[in-house]
Amino acid sequence: NAGVTQTPKFQVLKTGQSMTLQCAQDMNHEYMSWYRQDPGMGLRLIHYSVGAGITDQGEVPNGYNVSRSTTEDFPLRLLSAAPSQTSVYFCASSYDPRDRGTDTQYFGPGTRLTVL
Amino acid sequence: AQSVTQLGSHVSVSEGALVLLRCNYSSSVPPYLFWYVQYPNQGLQLLLKYTSAATLVKGINGFEAEFKKSETSFHLTKPSAHMSDAAEYFCAVSEASGTYKYIFGTGTRLKVLA
Repeated sequence: NAGVTQTPKFQVLKTGQSMTLQCAQDMNHEYMSWYRQDPGMGLRLIHYSVGAGITDQGEVPNGYNVSRSTTEDFPLRLLSAAPSQTSVYFCASSYDPRDRGTDTQYFGPGTRLTVL
Repeated sequence: AQSVTQLGSHVSVSEGALVLLRCNYSSSVPPYLFWYVQYPNQGLQLLLKYTSAATLVKGINGFEAEFKKSETSFHLTKPSAHMSDAAEYFCAVSEASGTYKYIFGTGTRLKVLA
């Protein structure tokens, strides 16, 4: 198993540009999520999905869009990049966050994004 | 709403000394609690989680945490620090009500001194 993979590892954008951060998992997990990590603020939930075709907003959804057309993939789109979106982005997945036996989240290696 | 507070953004200990990283949660019912570790330039990985089977939870790399409902705490400890323990540690809670949201603390960076 590759686990959770993210591409790209690094990205530099100019203000106003758009891009998609890719996330894929091969563990057949229903639950997937996107976080951003900023110094002193821990991880903040951007969007999450509890299965194909179902997404919902997290704590900081503004400026980001997601879709979940397959169980494996959960891309994060930045519609018009802003310097405030400079951050490290992590994708994570788990089988079922409501089940204490399967609620462990598995994290990808992260994407470091800089917006100039 | 759930929240998690980690006291101390930076903790330094000497190699061989006790490690104590603090985590308090706010909840009227016992939530699902986790500790994750993040090594430099890597993603997070699970150290341990509270499953309600026992209040003292043992994790990987010699870490353990004790769930204390009366204190709403889930502090992480290790009897003897090793240089390889230097990392950032995150306490997290998931909302047991079924809203599927995990809430992370702000993290504690552990430094181990030789």
